[in-house]
Amino acid sequence: QKEVEQNSGPLSVPEGAIASLNCTYSDRGSQSFFWYRQYSGKSPELIMFIYSNGDKEDGRFTAQLNKASQYVSLLIRDSQPSDSATYLCAVNTLTGGGNKLTFGTGTQLKVEL
Amino acid sequence: DAGITQSPRYKITETGRQVTLMCHQTWSHSYMFWYRQDLGHGLRLIYYSAAADITDKGEVPDGYVVSRSKTENFPLTLESATRSQTSVYFCASSEQGASPLHFGNGTRLTVT
Repeated sequence: QKEVEQNSGPLSVPEGAIASLNCTYSDRGSQSFFWYRQYSGKSPELIMFIYSNGDKEDGRFTAQLNKASQYVSLLIRDSQPSDSATYLCAVNTLTGGGNKLTFGTGTQLKVEL
Repeated sequence: DAGITQSPRYKITETGRQVTLMCHQTWSHSYMFWYRQDLGHGLRLIYYSAAADITDKGEVPDGYVVSRSKTENFPLTLESATRSQTSVYFCASSEQGASPLHFGNGTRLTVT
């Protein structure tokens, strides 16, 4: 089982719809969770981070964390063509060797006109 | 401008040659990281550094060497490049070990 799993997609949604991106992780001790957006040929950029169970909202973006189910998601409301990118989930776990950040392979999102 | 800068942006080299990728950050972040990104594997950690003169291996360190004599610089050296090291390399920094990462623009390396 991969430590951080994401559906590779592509996930296609119409403009104006809600895009739901999902991520599961294997280590119950994981403490912090990040969503990065990566446009083709560009570097990842931070979208959201969440540490506690529940929802965290920032503009059109909402991160949801359920530690019991080991599940973190990113909702994008009113999706725009400019949201078309690959979204990377990253999970941080404190180990004996220090913090360990593991990335999923990403979900490609396509927002269609 | 504050930020994290990688150089070169593109590099083509031959098998067996030594190559050094540069990374410079102006935030005075304690932590710096080197990742490689390949299709199907996502981002994989090569090496990281918690502070000047402190470095540690990541998930895929073989064939790479790093140093950090100054807080702001974290060069990555491929001692004898192999075709399997063809990849996009990202340098990143963070204030603390669990803080969000800030990525450089990446170096696309091709080993022929």
